[in-house]
Parts: sequence; C-alpha cells; structure tokens
Amino acid sequence: SQKIEQNSEALNIQEGKTATLTCNYTNYSPAYLQWYRQDPGRGPVFLLLIRENEKEKRKERLKVTFDTTLKQSLFHITASQPADSATYLCALSQGGTGKLIFGQGTTLQVKP
Amino acid sequence: NAGVMQNPRHLVRRRGQEARLRCSPMKGHSHVYWYRQLPEEGLKFMVYLQKENIIDESGMPKERFSAEFPKEGPSILRIQQVVRGDSAAYFCASSLGTSGSTDTQYFGPGTRLTVL
Repeated sequence: SQKIEQNSEALNIQEGKTATLTCNYTNYSPAYLQWYRQDPGRGPVFLLLIRENEKEKRKERLKVTFDTTLKQSLFHITASQPADSATYLCALSQGGTGKLIFGQGTTLQVKP
Repeated sequence: NAGVMQNPRHLVRRRGQEARLRCSPMKGHSHVYWYRQLPEEGLKFMVYLQKENIIDESGMPKERFSAEFPKEGPSILRIQQVVRGDSAAYFCASSLGTSGSTDTQYFGPGTRLTVL
C-alpha cells in the first residue's frame, strides 16, 4: 500500500544544533516533494520544494535532500533557534495531478 | 499581494445544519485545492478545482460535500447536514499551475468547523 511517513515522536534539540527530520515514502513515484511548517491553529507555510532530478536544495538555514533510490527526503535546520519550534510537514506530488499527499508531521521543539 | 484568504475562521454548526466555507486564492492563481485536517491527523486532500471546473474530487466524501469555484467570486466548500465527525480544520490552498515552477501550493489560515 502507499504510505508517506514522518517520525511521529517529537524531536527535542538544543538551540544552535542542527535538526534533521525524515520523510519516507513507499509505492509512490513523486515528481517532487515539498516541506511546510505549521504552527498551532495556523495554516501550513511553504518552505522548500525539491524535484525528483534534484539531490539537494538550500534556503538560508534550511536544506532538503531527496533520494529516490532510498525513497526518502531529509530536512535539516542548521543553527536552530527556539523560533523554529513548530510542526514540519512533508508532502509529495506525483506530478500534474495537483494533489499533495501529506505525512502526519514531526513536531520540533528547540530549547534555549 | 494578499495571501490565500479563508472565511470564516471559526464556524459553529448544530448537527443537521449546512456549513459554507469560502476561499479566495492568491491574486493570479486559478488553481484551488481543499484539504481537511482532523484532530491529531495529517492533512488529507479533498478536491482540486480550476475556474468553473472540478478537476479531481477523489478525496471528497460521496455524500453531503460539494465544492465549486465560479468564474467570479471565491471557491466554496459546502457541507450539508453536518455531523459531529465533520468537525475539523478545513484548509484551502492555491497555485499558479500544476507543473514547472508554478505548482507550489500556498495555504490559507483555515476554517475551524465545530459541530455541536
């Protein structure tokens, strides 16, 4: 069956460290994968998009990798700050369909 | 440039009533998507619309739910005869297109529906 999975347990890290979040999928062939941030009571905010032919994408302190052989994307936040505390969602698209399929999200807590 | 707008932000209905949720996409965006987020669950796709057309409604419950995106005005998600299980956050997203550099979906703040 098709699945997209993120670590369901919350990730707690110390300020200044690098946070790494994982997104694994099975039985999909995504054209691209997106990462979003969601704060309590708010809508998801787009962070980064990475396509199937891209290995890595960066934006300021954020880095995303996409390994279509492992069927995995990693999301890194370097020099993390308490303001980075939120739930992070990965979502994949099989291209042209418009539909995004979301993981259940991983909650990140950065302690000062 | 205003983002995706949704209203109302909070909606309370009694069982059996109708709920109407509105979504105005970002300026220039003609693709609209509706997602539902149940408590403690992830976002689930419901429907994808372009102006006056439903493109994909594979995530919509077969009964009581309908969506439209008229030529003029916002997209509407309509839930008839609401039940307690409809209580959730409903998010709308919009995009410029569905391929190339146009497919990023931008989300609104959501409408939180509570059915008493």
